[in-house]
Amino acid sequence: EPEVTQTPSHQVTQMGQEVILRCVPISNHLYFYWYRQILGQKVEFLVSFYNNEISEKSEIFDDQFSVERPDGSNFTLKIRSTKLEDSAMYFCASSEDTQYFGPGTRLTVL
Amino acid sequence: QKEVEQNSGPLSVPEGAIASLNCTYSDRGSQSFFWYRQYSGKSPELIMFIYSNGDKEDGRFTAQLNKASQYVSLLIRDSQPSDSATYLCAVWMDSSYKLIFGSGTRLLVRP
Repeated sequence: EPEVTQTPSHQVTQMGQEVILRCVPISNHLYFYWYRQILGQKVEFLVSFYNNEISEKSEIFDDQFSVERPDGSNFTLKIRSTKLEDSAMYFCASSEDTQYFGPGTRLTVL
Repeated sequence: QKEVEQNSGPLSVPEGAIASLNCTYSDRGSQSFFWYRQYSGKSPELIMFIYSNGDKEDGRFTAQLNKASQYVSLLIRDSQPSDSATYLCAVWMDSSYKLIFGSGTRLLVRP
C-alpha cells in the first residue's frame, strides 16, 4: 500500500541553524501539506501546496519557513533559523481527497 | 477563529464495550469530517471520513454527523485494548486547503 515517507525520523539542531525536512508524498497525489505537533498539543496546520505553489499558510508559517518541491517526488520544509519553540513533530501529508500522513520528523532544537 | 472541540478524556471503557467519542465544530461552512487515530509518538492514521448527515459504518467503527448541531461522533463497537489511543477529530472546509484538528480524546480500553 502506498504511503507517505519522511526523513530524517529525528533531527537535532542548534538554535539558529537551518534545517530541511524531507517528504515523499504518495505518487499520484497532487496536494501536499505540512503540519506540526508540539509535545502534548494538537496537530497544527502549517502550509498546503498545490501545482507548485502555496495554497494556504498559517500564521505559524512566517518568513523563516519555506517549502519546495525540488523534483517530481520530494517535498521539503525548510526552517532557516531555528528557535527553541520550533521543537516539535513535523508531519507531511498528501491527498487526492483524504489526507494521509507520514510518520513524522521529530525536530529538537537545543 | 474556527475551532474543533473534543473532550480530552481519558475515556475508559472495558474490553468489548462501545466507546463513544464526540466532537463539535464552530464553522458552519465545514464540509468534510475526519477521524484519525494517533498512538503515542506516532502520526495520525485515518480511520473514517464523513460528508453527509447521518451514519456511516466501516467494520467496528461508525461515524455520525449532525450538521445542524455541528456535531460529529465516532462509535467503536467491541472495543479492544489495541484501540487504546488518542482519537483526533478533524474538519475540512472547501474554502481553505487545510484540516483543523481538535486536541483529541484519549481512549483507554481495559482488558
